[in-house]
Amino acid sequence: QVQLVQSGAEVKKPGSSVKVSCKASGDAFTSYGVSWLRLAPGQGLEWMGGINPFSGTTNYAPEFQGRVSIIADESTSTAYMELNSLRSEDTAVYYCARGGFCGGGTCFLFDFWGRGTLVTVSS
Amino acid sequence: EVLMTQSPDTLSVFPWERASLSCRASQSVSIDLAWYQQRPGQAPRLLIFGASTRATGIPAKFSASGSGTEFTLTISSLQSEDFAVYYCQQYHSWPWTFGQGTKVEIK
Repeated sequence: QVQLVQSGAEVKKPGSSVKVSCKASGDAFTSYGVSWLRLAPGQGLEWMGGINPFSGTTNYAPEFQGRVSIIADESTSTAYMELNSLRSEDTAVYYCARGGFCGGGTCFLFDFWGRGTLVTVSS
Repeated sequence: EVLMTQSPDTLSVFPWERASLSCRASQSVSIDLAWYQQRPGQAPRLLIFGASTRATGIPAKFSASGSGTEFTLTISSLQSEDFAVYYCQQYHSWPWTFGQGTKVEIK
């Protein structure tokens, strides 16, 4: 069973940055990829971006391009998501999840999730 | 990007009754459609993929159908643990997108 353990809640000022970590048990990311998603109050789930296991590249959703950075440290099985230029609308629960990519006729959906990290942006 | 719209926003159902949730895509997503359940305070859980295939460990009380732009998730004989928010998600076109969710609450 894959487990994804995320870092704790954060409170940030507008304009600052936040970095959230996601440590996986076993080889969760290399073969399946890892994605970051968020759930803001009153909104639906949003896919922010992730590391594509088929290409080895990092892909970002257009609305987050340029403001988010996702990396993975394979030696520690840990993925990181850093979001910059925070604004109040970024207040949300941020999730890491295994999967999020298709390639070669196979799709890896979001089958394992972290418990979420609450990021509050407030002055 | 593909816009996913779920209806209703909230569905009030008596325990042991059946619930039917709808999801509509702004353009065809074939059968590249998944459903997730999110209980309060928990992470989402994959229920259905391929529009109608239950994920590993998901009981038969969850069934789903549809293709193209119209999809349905049906939950039979609702029990306390089934009252949650349900999301549909398309993976036909990049970026993958979710509906806004349907909250199934106790009537």
